[in-house]
Amino acid sequence: GNSVTQMEGPVTLSEEAFLTINCTYTATGYPSLFWYVQYPGEGLQLLLKATKADDKGSNKGFEATYRKETTSFHLEKGSVQVSDSAVYFCALVNAGGTSYGKLTFGQGTILTVHP
Amino acid sequence: DTAVSQTPKYLVTQMGNDKSIKCEQNLGHDTMYWYKQDSKKFLKIMFSYNNKELIINETVPNRFSPKSPDKAHLNLHINSLELGDSAVYFCASSQGGAGTEAFFGQGTRLTVV
Repeated sequence: GNSVTQMEGPVTLSEEAFLTINCTYTATGYPSLFWYVQYPGEGLQLLLKATKADDKGSNKGFEATYRKETTSFHLEKGSVQVSDSAVYFCALVNAGGTSYGKLTFGQGTILTVHP
Repeated sequence: DTAVSQTPKYLVTQMGNDKSIKCEQNLGHDTMYWYKQDSKKFLKIMFSYNNKELIINETVPNRFSPKSPDKAHLNLHINSLELGDSAVYFCASSQGGAGTEAFFGQGTRLTVV
């Protein structure tokens, strides 16, 4: 079956530090890959996505590249802000009509950024 | 105008009670979902409906019953609530394709006492 593994958290950084959150996956075929973010007390929002190998998703200074050879989709940001403090989820959707867009999530990584 | 809205946001109830959570989306999507987030933030799908038809039913106790009166609504009814049902429940919708984005509601924090 499908699975997503994220790096252990929580992650605590100072403002303007570089961020990497590792994500690897197991899936059949060519899944679509996503990063979702959950701010305190809110639902999940899509941060970025990539639908095929070597695609780079980017949004709000965050980037992630779909690496099929290493089955990875690591999230990076060059300079984090206090407002980036949230829980980050890596997720995948299997290709094929029977997936119906069902998301398989990693365990989430809590990020705290201090001034 | 909220894309996916669910009510209530907070629900505190006693063991053994029956409760419902409502969800509505105004995005015109064909597919809706219920996800459960446990105390460690882990998210897992429970159910999915496509055009009012149940298409995904993960291993969930029979006490949980989804109902979709039309494709814009997906409600979750829970019978005989147990302490272990305490969690945050998220409704979501999407077009259902492999690469499409899911839009999530704000969540319902259910606490069973």
